[in-house]
This record gives sequence, C-alpha cells and structure tokens, in this order.
Amino acid sequence: AQKVTQAQTEISVVEKEDVTLDCVYETRDTTYYLFWYKQPPSGELVFLIRRNSFDEQNEISGRYSWNFQKSTSSFNFTITASQVVDSAVYFCALSEQASTNAGKSTFGDGTTLTVKP
Amino acid sequence: NAGVTQTPKFRILKIGQSMTLQCTQDMNHNYMYWYRQDPGMGLKLIYYSVGAGITDKGEVPNGYNVSRSTTEDFPLRLELAAPSQTSVYFCASSLPRTSGSGDTQYFGPGTRLTVL
Repeated sequence: AQKVTQAQTEISVVEKEDVTLDCVYETRDTTYYLFWYKQPPSGELVFLIRRNSFDEQNEISGRYSWNFQKSTSSFNFTITASQVVDSAVYFCALSEQASTNAGKSTFGDGTTLTVKP
Repeated sequence: NAGVTQTPKFRILKIGQSMTLQCTQDMNHNYMYWYRQDPGMGLKLIYYSVGAGITDKGEVPNGYNVSRSTTEDFPLRLELAAPSQTSVYFCASSLPRTSGSGDTQYFGPGTRLTVL
C-alpha cells in the first residue's frame, strides 16, 4: 500500500527566509508519480509539480525548487526568499503506476506554512 | 473552459437528511474522483470513476453513493447525513494514464458541508 508522510504539521518563518517542506513516501511500485499541491487560505487546491519516479533530476521554478531522492524515498520542496503570499497548506501526493490504480493519488496530511511579514 | 465546478459551495444539513453534491468538468476527462478533507488532515478518497457507467470505492466510501451517467458529471449522494460527514468535499478529474498526463488531477473549489 502507498503512504505519504509529511512530518512537519506547521512551519512559521519570517518573510525572505528559505523554508523546506519534507515529504517521505512508501510504495512497492517501481514506477510512480509524485506531486505537490498548494492550498491557499481561499481553499482551492493548486497543482504545483509532478515528478516521474524515473526522473531524479532536481527542478527549479522561480523561488520554488524540488529535491527528489529515491534512495531516501523523499521529495522535498524548498521555497527560497519566502513571501507572505506563500502562506498556505502544502500537500505531497503519490500515484502508483500499477494498471489497476486508475490514477488514484494518496495524499499526505499537509504542512501549514505561515510566512510572517 | 470552466474546469471542474462544484455546487453548492456551502451547505448545512440536519442529521438524517440527504443531499447530492454536484460535480461537473468540461475538460473531457475520463477519470473523476471525490475526496473529503477533514480539518487539519489530508484528502481521503471516497469514490472514483474511470468512465461513464464505471465507479468504484475509495478509502472511505461508507455513507456515500455515486453515479456516472455522463463523462462530464459525477454527483456524490449522502443518504442519511451524520455529524461525522462534516467536512470539505473536493471533486477532481484527470485524463487517462495513456494520455501521458501523468495522473495530474484538477480540483474543483470544494463544498463545505456541516451536519448538525
């Protein structure tokens, strides 16, 4: 069975600090997708990134970067020079590629990030 | 292109009442999902569908029913509302895996349901 653990329930930083959100996953599949979603205070869920299990290259998008390490089953998310608008709940998710999975994702419980001015 | 829409946005039910949460997507996605999000928790899968006429249970299906008569619509039915069903409900959709979409799900804005 697949499982996603986000050990950090809440993180509070001051604006312009860097912050890393941790995500550890468990799966028996050798092929899978990993995701990060953002849920701002307005409540909607916004897709941020998808990573295929075959692709361990780190990715950078503006102030966001993601570090995928299969050896430690981790997919961590770093925000550089955080801003107040980054305040949100961030979810990590896993989708196994088994043919019977029908695209279902398992979500972690989320990390609430508060960025103070 | 509206994406995934959900109605209503808010609802208060009394114990034992029933209601249907509506979900519609206009992206021609085959796969659709219903999740619930309890306070401080992640999303739990209630039901999902891989196409019209095909539905299956997720992690927490008890107390709910679904139907999928068209590609666009995937309503969620609560027959006898209980306080334990107080939650925020999200509908999502995605393309089939064969499309190369990588299982990325697109979410509706959610329905906040309170059962008193």
